Amino acid sequence: NAGVMQNPRHLVRRRGQEARLRCSPMKGHSHVYWYRQLPEEGLKFMVYLQKENIIDESGMPKERFSAEFPKEGPSILRIQQVVRGDSAAYFCASSPRGIVGEQFFGPGTRLTVL
Amino acid sequence: SQQGEEDPQALSIQEGENATMNCSYKTSINNLQWYRQNSGRGLVHLILIRSNEREKHSGRLRVTLDTSKKSSSLLITASRAADTASYFCATDARAGGTSYGKLTFGQGTILTVHP
Repeated sequence: NAGVMQNPRHLVRRRGQEARLRCSPMKGHSHVYWYRQLPEEGLKFMVYLQKENIIDESGMPKERFSAEFPKEGPSILRIQQVVRGDSAAYFCASSPRGIVGEQFFGPGTRLTVL
Repeated sequence: SQQGEEDPQALSIQEGENATMNCSYKTSINNLQWYRQNSGRGLVHLILIRSNEREKHSGRLRVTLDTSKKSSSLLITASRAADTASYFCATDARAGGTSYGKLTFGQGTILTVHP
């Protein structure tokens, strides 16, 4: 059973470009969480999704950021018009259920904005 | 202080010694988890302790939870150089009886084990 997959592992973008980060949860997991980790800090929750539904996006910046988890395919975190402050590691986690359980983390995507 | 705040921020010990890391949090929780992160890598789940549990063991790991003090500790016994990593506690907060499994992480403790 493959773990949580994220791609790309490293992404370099210039200011103003778009960044698309992909996450494929573990087989059988229908709950996906996105977290952001700034340098030297812990992870901060961004958004929680189930298939075709955004359940909690309280951690998402109001502008430029969006997330989806379609019926088929990976979950996508999209950052439009990136700025230098978006440079961070973005981690995706999945779980078989959204309550009281272990979350399995992917290796992360390291976004660098030039 | 933030939810899920660890101390110390950094800990340096010799191989074979024990390492103790502490975590404090602010809100009521369903559970508390500890994760390890090697430099530049993803997170590895270590152990989960539920709010109605006081102590849990897993191999060389021992976790305690004191909900009255809103604190937890992670003890790694007989440390090895391979234990060198950052350690984070994460809480799954209880809000109105529901939880989405949304985790709140602390800033982490950087553990260095010297061979």
